[in-house]
Amino acid sequence: DAGVIQSPRHEVTEMGQEVTLRCKPISGHNSLFWYRQTMMRGLELLIYFNNNVPIDDSGMPEDRFSAKMPNASFSTLKIQPSEPRDSAVYFCASSSQGIVAKSTDTQYFGPGTRLTVL
Amino acid sequence: GIQVEQSPPDLILQEGANSTLRCNFSDSVNNLQWFHQNPWGQLINLFYIPSGTKQNGRLSATTVATERYSLLYISSSQTTDSGVYFCAVARYNNNDMRFGAGTRLTVKP
Repeated sequence: DAGVIQSPRHEVTEMGQEVTLRCKPISGHNSLFWYRQTMMRGLELLIYFNNNVPIDDSGMPEDRFSAKMPNASFSTLKIQPSEPRDSAVYFCASSSQGIVAKSTDTQYFGPGTRLTVL
Repeated sequence: GIQVEQSPPDLILQEGANSTLRCNFSDSVNNLQWFHQNPWGQLINLFYIPSGTKQNGRLSATTVATERYSLLYISSSQTTDSGVYFCAVARYNNNDMRFGAGTRLTVKP
């Protein structure tokens, strides 16, 4: 398996522009997670999906952030409008966990998207 | 929310040395994972270990859930072990993973 695929790997944009980050989870995994990593706040869970349904989006910082999972093999994280403080590395991870972790399945991370908002 | 504390924040070792990294958490958890973030930023899962002990080569981990801590042991460290080690936990009935601040390990040749 190719692992979790994220695109783009790097994104530089100007304040006010719309940014869309993409993620393809590992085939067969039914849970998908979006994280953000910054020096100040470390790794933060933004939102996670189980069977394409958003389960917990309490980590989404503002209404400017939205995430979708239209099918089991694709998810997007959108920021509109973007601001300089959104600059970070955004990770997508997938696993085969259920809503409550019961198994030994673990989270597998993609390579991340480094976002810079000027 | 649940608090996760890792210690030490930084660790410098000579190649071949052993080390122990600690993760304390503030509430009962049903999910605990250790990750290694290499110098290129890639996050790799090391262990899923909400309780008990596991070993994988030179790495092993122990979680004492009743006392709310987990330990990651690295034996005979190598330069490729350098990076940041994260502990992440989730409470019962959810998968809201909370990450600690990490331990930055530098292994010198």
